[in-house]
Amino acid sequence: EAGVTQFPSHSVIEKGQTVTLRCDPISGHDNLYWYRRVMGKEIKFLLHFVKESKQDESGMPNNRFLAERTGGTYSTLKVQPAELEDSGVYFCASSQKRRVFQETQYFGPGTRLLVL
Amino acid sequence: GENVEQHPSTLSVQEGDSAVIKCTYSDSASNYFPWYKQELGKRPQLIIDIRSNVGEKKDQRIAVTLNKTAKHFSLHITETQPEDSAVYFCAAINSGGSNYKLTFGKGTLLTVNP
Repeated sequence: EAGVTQFPSHSVIEKGQTVTLRCDPISGHDNLYWYRRVMGKEIKFLLHFVKESKQDESGMPNNRFLAERTGGTYSTLKVQPAELEDSGVYFCASSQKRRVFQETQYFGPGTRLLVL
Repeated sequence: GENVEQHPSTLSVQEGDSAVIKCTYSDSASNYFPWYKQELGKRPQLIIDIRSNVGEKKDQRIAVTLNKTAKHFSLHITETQPEDSAVYFCAAINSGGSNYKLTFGKGTLLTVNP
C-alpha cells in the first residue's frame, strides 16, 4: 500500500511569494490532516478534511493560508503571501473513516518550506 | 484545549541501555496516545500506541505505560540500538470527541551511542 505522499519535498521562496503544497493521502482514507512543525517546536494541527469538507480549521494561522481538497482526493495548501514565520515543515496525514479503534494517522514525509 | 508536555528534549544513552521518555497531558477526556518516531529526513511513523482502557502495552523492545489518574504516559525502549536514534513524539487525542486533531509534545531527540 502506498503511503501518504507530499510534493514538493523542499521549497525555498522569498517573502511575499506564493507557495502551494500538495498532499496525496492513502487511497480510501476519508480523513486528511495538515500539520506544521516550526523549528524546535511541537507538531501543530492546522486543519482537517473529511472527504472534501473542512471539518476543523481551527489551527490555521491566518487568512494567508488556504487549503482545498477538491473531489475528496488530494489536498493543496497555499500560502499567499508567504512571511518569514511561515518557515517550517508541513506534514500531511490521513486516516480511515472514523470507527472505533481506527484513530491512527499516517504521516507523509513533509514539505520543508523556507521563506527568505 | 489539550496540552501535552514532553521530557526530556534530548536524551543520550549508550547502546544497550534503556531510554525513557515521559509525557503529561491536560485533558482528562483524551483516551488515545500514540508515539511517533521520526528519523532524520523521514516521515513520522507510529511505533506504538495505547488506549485509556489499558495501563501498559509492549511490543518487543518498546513499551508504553499510561497513568490516567496522574495524566501521564511514558515510552520505554530497552536494549537500545544505534538505529533507535531519532526524534520521538508523544501525542494525545480524544478519539470519541468532536475533533480529530492530535496534540503533540515538542519531541525528544534520542541519540544512541555505539
